[in-house]
Parts: sequence; C-alpha cells; structure tokens
Amino acid sequence: SQQGEEDPQALSIQEGENATMNCSYKTSINNLQWYRQNSGRGLVHLILIRSNEREKHSGRLRVTLDTSKKSSSLLITASRAADTASYFCAMDQTGANNLFFGTGTRLTVIP
Amino acid sequence: IAGITQAPTSQILAAGRRMTLRCTQDMRHNAMYWYRQDLGLGLRLIHYSNTAGTTGKGEVPDGYSVSRANTDDFPLTLASAVPSQTSVYFCASRKGVRGQANTGELFFGEGSRLTVL
Repeated sequence: SQQGEEDPQALSIQEGENATMNCSYKTSINNLQWYRQNSGRGLVHLILIRSNEREKHSGRLRVTLDTSKKSSSLLITASRAADTASYFCAMDQTGANNLFFGTGTRLTVIP
Repeated sequence: IAGITQAPTSQILAAGRRMTLRCTQDMRHNAMYWYRQDLGLGLRLIHYSNTAGTTGKGEVPDGYSVSRANTDDFPLTLASAVPSQTSVYFCASRKGVRGQANTGELFFGEGSRLTVL
C-alpha cells in the first residue's frame, strides 16, 4: 500500500515562477525527505527535514513539515528549465528503518 | 567515482527464466535497498538489508529474493520471472549505524530496466 501521496501529479509552469508540491503521509516519521528524478535516471536526494523541524531551506528549495497534519510541501523558487523532473517525497517511518516513497509530482518548467 | 553500480542497465527476459540484478556500492554503507518503479505507483520497496548478513521484506517481496554476503553487494534474484515483474528496478544504500535504526539520505543507482515477455 502507498505510504504517501503527492499533489499535484503534474505541474507545468513558466521559467521564473515558483513551484509548490505537496505530500501527505499516514504514519509517524523520523524525518521526511525530498528527491528528484530526471527522466530515465536514478533518484537524487535534495533535502531532509526532521520530525522536530517545521521549515528548512537549501538554495532555492524550501521545505515545510506539519506533523499534526502529516503533510509536507516543497517550494522551488525562481524555477529554471533545468528543474524539469519528477519530485518525490519519502517518509522515514518510525520503527521501520526504511524509506517509503510518495507517488511523485512531474514538474515541467517552460523556458 | 564512489557510488552505486547496477547491472544490467536493461534486459529483456522470457517468462519463467531466472534473473539476477546486480548491485554494488563502494561507500561502505550498512543499509541497502531494492525498489521497483512503476508508472502511477511510485517506488515500492521489495527487500532491504540493514547490515551485511541480514535481510528483510519490504512492501512487495513476492517473487523476489536477496542476499547480503558482504557490505558491498546486494543482488536481487527473480527465480521464475513473470510479466508483472516488468519494471524499472533501483538499488539504493545509506550509511546507517550498525545495530541501530537507519536514517539519513539514500543514494541510488541508475536503475535496471527489465522487460518480461
């Protein structure tokens, strides 16, 4: 069964705009991570936010976490064509020692 | 260059055949994982290993087996392939701490695309 859901499934924006992706999950977590996947490639880690953190920044990335709502969001500011990829949230589930992935958001940035 | 190597990159296989997907990492990570990725379903965990000598079942383990004889290698075997095992398979690892819960980021290989006819 899926441990996480992402919204929207697909997002298309103009270069320079901001992109927001949302993730909802079902269980308690140690941390939540976001990954990026270019077409036909492996996933690459972007950012990790711990369960006791509410917001984290890394370059043009901003991640929020609301453990009471079991949700997270990833904001990419000032998007570039090179940001075109699929983005996945992943839940590091308490007691499970494994990462469970969401279904992903396909982002297209139009030059 | 340090990282994870998967082989083969791509394979077409007849149903009923046995197939082993290879995964090797040179980062001395304790934990290793096998995922399959299918359109609309995201990544699903097949099997994992928290440390050499131990393995565990993930969400979709049926039809697959793994072994972890040493730290570096984590092969995935399909004993008798079926068409529903057509997928892209990703191996991943993370550092972890021996004997403790594994947390932290995953490092992924480039994937093995398997087609079972």
